[in-house]
Amino acid sequence: GAVVSQHPSRVICKSGTSVKIECRSLDFQATTMFWYRQFPKQSLMLMATSNEGSKATYEQGVEKDKFLINHASLTLSTLTVTSAHPEDSSFYICSARAPSGQETQYFGPGTRLLVL
Amino acid sequence: GQQLNQSPQSMFIQEGEDVSMNCTSSSIFNTWLWYKQDPGEGPVLLIALYKAGELTSNGRLTAQFGITRKDSFLNISASIPSDVGIYFCAGLRNQGGKLIFGQGTELSVKP
Repeated sequence: GAVVSQHPSRVICKSGTSVKIECRSLDFQATTMFWYRQFPKQSLMLMATSNEGSKATYEQGVEKDKFLINHASLTLSTLTVTSAHPEDSSFYICSARAPSGQETQYFGPGTRLLVL
Repeated sequence: GQQLNQSPQSMFIQEGEDVSMNCTSSSIFNTWLWYKQDPGEGPVLLIALYKAGELTSNGRLTAQFGITRKDSFLNISASIPSDVGIYFCAGLRNQGGKLIFGQGTELSVKP
């Protein structure tokens, strides 16, 4: 099956610093990846759609200058939380759309961010 | 954002019992996906449904794509303790679109 990895699995940082999270599709090429945010006991909330070689598409209410997304290759998308604040603490999960012909998304294991 | 209506929100069952959960929507979906999420982990795909009326099994799990395209259910037979977790349905309206998620069903299994 399709495997998606994320790094780091958890990160603690000071308020005001920036944090980069990597999402990799390990055994397939993903032209489209997605970034989600999840609060405890809640469903996944889509933040943005990351397209290889082009700008990301952000959902309403998500600040593009705050959450920088780069999809420089067919197997890697990165999310950078800039000038992080305690309210940015959350569980961030990426997913990758399966190879063409399958409308299925495979999710990474998630990154737990804690901003102090 | 918009969500699917998933029920029940939580279930507490005895090991060995069967479980059923479902998702409904007021609009049509072309793909239904069922995921399971363990604490601190990302969702893991259980079953994908691509055709109205489709009934698909994965071990003790069975899911169906409703004939109206507006609903889907997931059944788990003979539950075991490792079935504990949160189950999410997710739907896609069109090819290349965004996943719409249900609110999740939290399953607890008593040994």
